[in-house]
Amino acid sequence: GAGVSQSPSNKVTEKGKDVELRCDPISGHTALYWYRQSLGQGLEFLIYFQGNSAPDKSGLPSDRFSAERTGGSVSTLTIQRTQQEDSAVYLCASSLRTGGNSGNTIYFGEGSWLTVV
Amino acid sequence: QKEVEQDPGPLSVPEGAIVSLNCTYSNSAFQYFMWYRQYSRKGPELLMYTYSSGNKEDGRFTAQVDKSSKYISLFIRDSQPSDSATYLCAMSARGFKTIFGAGTRLFVKA
Repeated sequence: GAGVSQSPSNKVTEKGKDVELRCDPISGHTALYWYRQSLGQGLEFLIYFQGNSAPDKSGLPSDRFSAERTGGSVSTLTIQRTQQEDSAVYLCASSLRTGGNSGNTIYFGEGSWLTVV
Repeated sequence: QKEVEQDPGPLSVPEGAIVSLNCTYSNSAFQYFMWYRQYSRKGPELLMYTYSSGNKEDGRFTAQVDKSSKYISLFIRDSQPSDSATYLCAMSARGFKTIFGAGTRLFVKA
């Protein structure tokens, strides 16, 4: 597709359930990011994939959060045993590469809005 | 200390005012500087991109980078109510992930 695609766009889940959020980056983009944004707050970095390198997981808030990127393209963010404080919008972004003029430009999806009740 | 500092605001200005948004940073290796705009319930979108120091102008928007002071700015001239949004600065070093500021909420009153 032309842009970063995320699904589902909205998800309501019960506390304790697991959820999976999907991101389809722009074709050819080697870098992929996941961010979390609570209402009225800034971007909270979660995880970063760059090509075949080991992912930077330094932003994951707990071991309930994990992400994978299959075949260097689609990524899935999984939240296990969801808690109410997990309610936020989860934004995925991709860039052509890291380093190099304009290659660092990050393009965001519209986000997956998660509500844990 | 965060790598990138940005005042979250909110900043409220009358229509037509000149708006100045700023970020400071600590990592001297940063070379790529960006400003993103985020409307409510939308993903951020790239507004301006600057490599290294200097100014860049695009319509009513001007981005400035002062690497010696580790300080970047975004100026909006003749601000409009449609400019009301959150503005996030972002920066990166070659080969490293992009770091975002917290974002400044801007309200332009008609």
